[in-house]
Amino acid sequence: AQSVTQPDIHITVSEGASLELRCNYSYGATPYLFWYVQSPGQGLQLLLKYFSGDTLVQGIKGFEAEFKRSQSSFNLRKPSVHWSDAAEYFCAVAPYNQGGKLIFGQGTELSVKP
Amino acid sequence: DAGVTQSPTHLIKTRGQQVTLRCSPISGHKSVSWYQQVLGQGPQFIFQYYEKEERGRGNFPDRFSARQFPNYSSELNVNALLLGDSALYLCASSLGTGGGTDTQYFGPGTRLTVL
Repeated sequence: AQSVTQPDIHITVSEGASLELRCNYSYGATPYLFWYVQSPGQGLQLLLKYFSGDTLVQGIKGFEAEFKRSQSSFNLRKPSVHWSDAAEYFCAVAPYNQGGKLIFGQGTELSVKP
Repeated sequence: DAGVTQSPTHLIKTRGQQVTLRCSPISGHKSVSWYQQVLGQGPQFIFQYYEKEERGRGNFPDRFSARQFPNYSSELNVNALLLGDSALYLCASSLGTGGGTDTQYFGPGTRLTVL
């Protein structure tokens, strides 16, 4: 069955430090992968997506993610975290043959220390 | 441009009651999907509609139903509410091109509390 695992439930980083959020997926075919961010009490905002081609994708707010097929991973990175990045981050996979249905991981909560 | 809108923002119901949640997609989008997000978890897929037809259904009981109107807006209905139905209900819209590349854009959600 298709699934997404985000191994880290909660991460704390200092402002200005680099960030990497992990995401592993289980899916037989080429996956379509997404990262969304959710601020408290809000809906989900799309950060970036990977469909094909260059395995390093750039997103909004200075985020990037790298698709590694050999590791079934799609980790999210940011070189320098800002206090406003504190939020919940969700990785998701869209099976190619199920419309736009998204399968989400359980999320990683990011806290930023001043 | 207006994004996905949902109403109401918050809702409090008691067990056994029925609730209707509403969603208006981004202009030009023909597909609407509904997700349930229980506190501390990722969203779970409930339904997807395209051109008023159900395109997909998640693993939810028949108490959950939805429909899409000619203007592409949508309603999610939940009957015989249970305490476990308390959650943030998210609506997402997309162009409806089908396949995994049909990127979904989410609304702010409706927070449902069942007492």
